[in-house]
Amino acid sequence: GAVVSQHPSWVICKSGTSVKIECRSLDFQATTMFWYRQFPKQSLMLMATSNEGSKATYEQGVEKDKFLINHASLTLSTLTVTSAHPEDSSFYICSATPLSTGANTEAFFGQGTRLTVV
Amino acid sequence: AQSVSQHNHHVILSEAASLELGCNYSYGGTVNLFWYVQYPGQHLQLLLKYFSGDPLVKGIKGFEAEFIKSKFSFNLRKPSVQWSDTAEYFCAVNAGNRDDKIIFGKGTRLHILP
Repeated sequence: GAVVSQHPSWVICKSGTSVKIECRSLDFQATTMFWYRQFPKQSLMLMATSNEGSKATYEQGVEKDKFLINHASLTLSTLTVTSAHPEDSSFYICSATPLSTGANTEAFFGQGTRLTVV
Repeated sequence: AQSVSQHNHHVILSEAASLELGCNYSYGGTVNLFWYVQYPGQHLQLLLKYFSGDPLVKGIKGFEAEFIKSKFSFNLRKPSVQWSDTAEYFCAVNAGNRDDKIIFGKGTRLHILP
């Protein structure tokens, strides 16, 4: 099956620094990738839709300047948490849907990145 | 806007009991429906999905779900649960467009007692 890989799997950073998380589709291309955030014992909350070659679309309440998204190629999207603070500590998950399949297809999820800001 | 409601936040069952987890969605158009499972310490895995056709879909590990359009529901079932089914289960929906975002329910934490 299709594989989506996130890097790093976990990261600890100091408050005020920025952290970049990569999401790669390893064996397929995707024009659209999605970034989710999952707090402990809670559901996945969609943060933004990453569009290849254009600006990301952010969900209501998500700060665009804080969570920078770049989708420079059909296999890579990056999420940069800028000036991270402890409240940004969370589990970040990306997903992607293969480009070459039809309208009805499933999304594949990365293994997630656990961010801890100290 | 789409939304997904899972009725049971936390379910505790004994092994061999039957399981049904409720899921209702809110969206007027064509939808794709999913159930995902997240085992402790692991990432999301797809259990089953409904796109079209037979409203009763069978997934992995003996799970099935039935899409009832009139009730906007997509309940997950398993006739006899096992201890290894202990996990968190998420119902999800997207609007029938491959590029559309998937919206998740809040999840149901399932504990199976040995």
